[in-house]
Amino acid sequence: DGGITQSPKYLFRKEGQNVTLSCEQNLNHDAMYWYRQDPGQGLRLIYYSQIVNDFQKGDIAEGYSVSREKKESFPLTVTSAQKNPTAFYLCASSFPVSGNRYNEQFFGPGTRLTVL
Amino acid sequence: AQSVAQPEDQVNVAEGNPLTVKCTYSVSGNPYLFWYVQYPNRGLQFLLKYITGDNLVKGSYGFEAEFNKSQTSFHLKKPSALVSDSALYFCAVRAGSSNTGKLIFGQGTTLQVKP
Repeated sequence: DGGITQSPKYLFRKEGQNVTLSCEQNLNHDAMYWYRQDPGQGLRLIYYSQIVNDFQKGDIAEGYSVSREKKESFPLTVTSAQKNPTAFYLCASSFPVSGNRYNEQFFGPGTRLTVL
Repeated sequence: AQSVAQPEDQVNVAEGNPLTVKCTYSVSGNPYLFWYVQYPNRGLQFLLKYITGDNLVKGSYGFEAEFNKSQTSFHLKKPSALVSDSALYFCAVRAGSSNTGKLIFGQGTTLQVKP
């Protein structure tokens, strides 16, 4: 899983609670991403950030929030507004796109969130 | 709209036989294509990518993929499958002409290699 760490590995949340998933990388990557994985649906992009202090919504941003205060860190908060948060969450990072270089993303080990 | 399809939910192959995991895409502009593998309860690992150049791309663990522009396909192949290749495989394509690094992923194909 490269130099990307995610914590915790497993997380249980009661309905109505906000929870924050951690993602840290030591690969000196500028770009970071959050995906949600559900069985049979592949990966769906929640948020992404190309540079510190800047981030954009992905395809399924509703009910989630992020911050990018440091290059190494891109935490994801799952708010109570997310109606079906039980899923496997994956963080990734990459070097930025440069000319014809479209760099692959490196993934963390994931956090499995379960709503009780 | 950009999209990628993996038409098979599962592929079964005997150990030692060649394997193919299929991927087709729909993009505007030049297709940038990727294959990743995921083992249970783990993150995705990069296998290979096609950006430009030779249509046959070689990657990690003996895998290769053939880019076919006329058929808009990027099938993953391996000449001789191993039981340890059993995993979930994802094909991905650059999102449009994006320079953000965003990818669109297929729904995944489970590869089962039997001894």
